[in-house]
Parts: sequence; C-alpha cells; structure tokens
Amino acid sequence: QLQLQESGSGLVKPSQTLSLTCAVSGGSISSGDYSWSWIRQPPGKGLEWIAYIYQTGSSYYNPPLKSRVTISIDNSRNHFSLNLTSVTAADTAVYYCARGNYMNAFDIWGQGTMVTVSS
Amino acid sequence: QSVLTQPPSMSGTPGQRVSITCSGSRSNLGAGYDVHWYKQIPGKAPKLLIHGNSNRPSGVPDRFSGSKSGTSASLAITGLQAEDEADYYCQSYDMYLSRWVFGGGTKLTVL
Repeated sequence: QLQLQESGSGLVKPSQTLSLTCAVSGGSISSGDYSWSWIRQPPGKGLEWIAYIYQTGSSYYNPPLKSRVTISIDNSRNHFSLNLTSVTAADTAVYYCARGNYMNAFDIWGQGTMVTVSS
Repeated sequence: QSVLTQPPSMSGTPGQRVSITCSGSRSNLGAGYDVHWYKQIPGKAPKLLIHGNSNRPSGVPDRFSGSKSGTSASLAITGLQAEDEADYYCQSYDMYLSRWVFGGGTKLTVL
C-alpha cells in the first residue's frame, strides 16, 4: 500500500527558506500517470494547494506563491521536495504531500508536518 | 475567502441524512470541472471520500454520495453515525485563478 511521509524543518526563521521532502513508500513515484502535490493548512483554517509535479519533472504552481516556490522530484530516491523562500508568519501551517489521481483528486496523503515560522 | 462556498457548520442526529453543499461559479464548477470531497478529522490528514463528482474510492461506505449540477455540488451522508463527525471539504479547479481550490470546509457535528 502506497504511503507518503513528510520530513523537514519544523521551525524556520522569517525570511529564510522552508524545505520539505515527501518520501514515497510501497510503490514507485514514477509508475502511473500521477501528479505529486504539496498542500498546506494554517492552524484552524482551510486547505491551500501549493504546487504539483509529475515524474517527468513537469510542474505547476499556485500563481500567488509561484515566485517563492520550487518543487522537484527525484525518481531514483522515490521522493519529491518543496522549497519555499522568504517565509513569513503567514506561511506557518501543516504541510501535506499528496498524490493526484487521474481525476485530479488527491487520493493519498501524508500525515502532515507542522512548520512554524518564528524568530 | 474561498471561491467554493460551503456552510461553516452543520449538525445532525444519528441515523439522519445530511447534505453539505458546495457553491461555485462559471469559472470552476460551472465550467465543467469535477468536484471532489474530503473528510478530515481534526489533527489528521484529509481523506478522499468522493472523486469525479459522484465516484466513491474503494473502501468508502455507500452512505456517502456526491452529485453536481451547474455551479453547485453536494455531498450526502445517510444513516449518520458518530464517526462521521469531522470537517468536510470540496475541491475543484478554477480556470480564472489557474489553480486547484478548496471550499472553506464544513464542520459536521453529530448530536
């Protein structure tokens, strides 16, 4: 059974870069026509899609975040990553990685990792 | 403010049928984009309940059903159970915003 697991720094200082990795286990990140996304949820608020990437490296970003976000994929290591630069307190959230299926629904999610932006 | 509008809260009693609405516009649901529904227990990751407007992934009970018409969609839960108490989110694509969007979420309380 495919599983996703986020990892990365839980505390980031303002103006610095948030870096997260999503490890995929129980299957290959490069099999099938799936997209791989990052989604976040500020405390007590709703969900916000950040970016997706395909095994080919083709990627797409949420336009308001595009200038600060980079998503990458490493098929050999079966993981994909997120970098978010120039963070502020508004970037404090639980960050989820998720798989997008053929209907563009997010059918498998990681457990989420809390990232706090604070000095 | 979300481009997909959901009621912030709803409640029901065990055994009852509830329907959660998701109201969009011509740039998302009305443009023909599919709607998907998720259930989220506080402190946990969302779980896919319905994809492609009305399709249940394997393992989702048939008490959950989805429909879409025009610029609106709904998630119906029949035979309400205590374990259905959670937050529910709709999701679609908005062509004007050029991104996937979520509704603001509906907190369902089972009385």
